[in-house]
Amino acid sequence: NAGVTQTPKFQVLKTGQSMTLQCAQDMNHEYMSWYRQDPGMGLRLIHYSVGAGITDQGEVPNGYNVSRSTTEDFPLRLLSAAPSQTSVYFCASSRQGLGVEAFFGQGTRLTVV
Amino acid sequence: GQQVMQIPQYQHVQEGEDFTTYCNSSTTLSNIQWYKQRPGGHPVFLIQLVKSGEVKKQKRLTFQFGEAKKNSSLHITATQTTDVGTYFCAGSGNTPLVFGKGTRLSVIA
Repeated sequence: NAGVTQTPKFQVLKTGQSMTLQCAQDMNHEYMSWYRQDPGMGLRLIHYSVGAGITDQGEVPNGYNVSRSTTEDFPLRLLSAAPSQTSVYFCASSRQGLGVEAFFGQGTRLTVV
Repeated sequence: GQQVMQIPQYQHVQEGEDFTTYCNSSTTLSNIQWYKQRPGGHPVFLIQLVKSGEVKKQKRLTFQFGEAKKNSSLHITATQTTDVGTYFCAGSGNTPLVFGKGTRLSVIA
């Protein structure tokens, strides 16, 4: 049972490049979320999904797109990377129902130069 | 929107001392969760509190949920080096989990 798998673990991008951070879970969880973690800022919600075909914005959605075509996958797209997007990104999943325990992936450390 | 504030931001303790982190929400929470993140790792769920005034214990860790369901605390008795990490509270009202900024605990042996 792999849980929540994020790829890649590390990535360096040039300003203006685009890329997709992958997130997959094998627990049949309905809820999936993306957070970014910056020093002193805690975990800030970027986008979340309550099921396939349904997504919504979190606290810091600008510059990011998401889609949820399957229950298992929830990719995060950076449209045009900026240095301000340098961060550690975590994907999380949980069963249906707000406030249920969240399972986190190992994280993707992204640097934009 | 909902905000969850956590203090202190950092705490350095000698091994064997106690440690407490506090979490306060601007709105009433349906429940509150606590997570631990080891250095270089990812957040891992510790516990969830649901009832007003609830107290739960996990070995040396004691978790409390306030009567008004707007604040919570995590107390560690006799810290050990294995307690090192950042402790986050996360509240859920009518939105997905909103995390506090965390308290980073350092334990000096």
